[in-house]
Amino acid sequence: GESVGLHLPTLSVQEGDNSIINCAYSNSASDYFIWYKQESGKGPQFIIDIRSNMDKRQGQRVTVLLNKTVKHLSLQIAATQPGDSAVYFCAVRGSYNTDKLIFGTGTRLQVFP
Amino acid sequence: AAGVIQSPRHLIKEKRETATLKCYPIPRHDTVYWYQQGPGQDPQFLISFYEKMQSDKGSIPDRFSAQQFSDYHSELNMSSLELGDSALYFCASSLSRLGYVGSTDTQYFGPGTRLTVL
Repeated sequence: GESVGLHLPTLSVQEGDNSIINCAYSNSASDYFIWYKQESGKGPQFIIDIRSNMDKRQGQRVTVLLNKTVKHLSLQIAATQPGDSAVYFCAVRGSYNTDKLIFGTGTRLQVFP
Repeated sequence: AAGVIQSPRHLIKEKRETATLKCYPIPRHDTVYWYQQGPGQDPQFLISFYEKMQSDKGSIPDRFSAQQFSDYHSELNMSSLELGDSALYFCASSLSRLGYVGSTDTQYFGPGTRLTVL
């Protein structure tokens, strides 16, 4: 079946450094990819998305890279701040005829001073 | 900006009881989704509705049912509750860009309902 996975369950970075969170997916038909940030007890918060016809998209301090050849997605956070501490999920839409998202296992980002 | 509203935020039930969770999507959004998130787990898709019709179904138990009403709000009905149903239940909403399933825009999540079954 479909799967979405993250390489590391916890990532610890120093404030001001850049963070990179990785995600692998299995369905080559996936056409839409989203990164969410979830703080404890709250709902997933949209960070950035990318469609399969792109390989890079930038937002404010965040960049998403998509490598469809190896079915890999990454989220880069520049100048990581304490407020970035949270669990980050990648989510993948399986194919063109469904809107449901398949979430990967979250990565906990810890930012220390 | 208006966000997805869920009620109640917290719910405590006994085994074998029933529960109803409500979701009010972002205004103009036509699609709602329900996800279940167990402790330390990723959200799992349950069911979705587009223009009041069920559009997709995931790992939703037969004891659960849901519907979307004419004002686009949605309710998730859960019967014969089990201890394992204790979880965070999220509703998300989106707007279909092209007017059909599979063309949706970003899904925005509500704050969730924490269900505890004792």
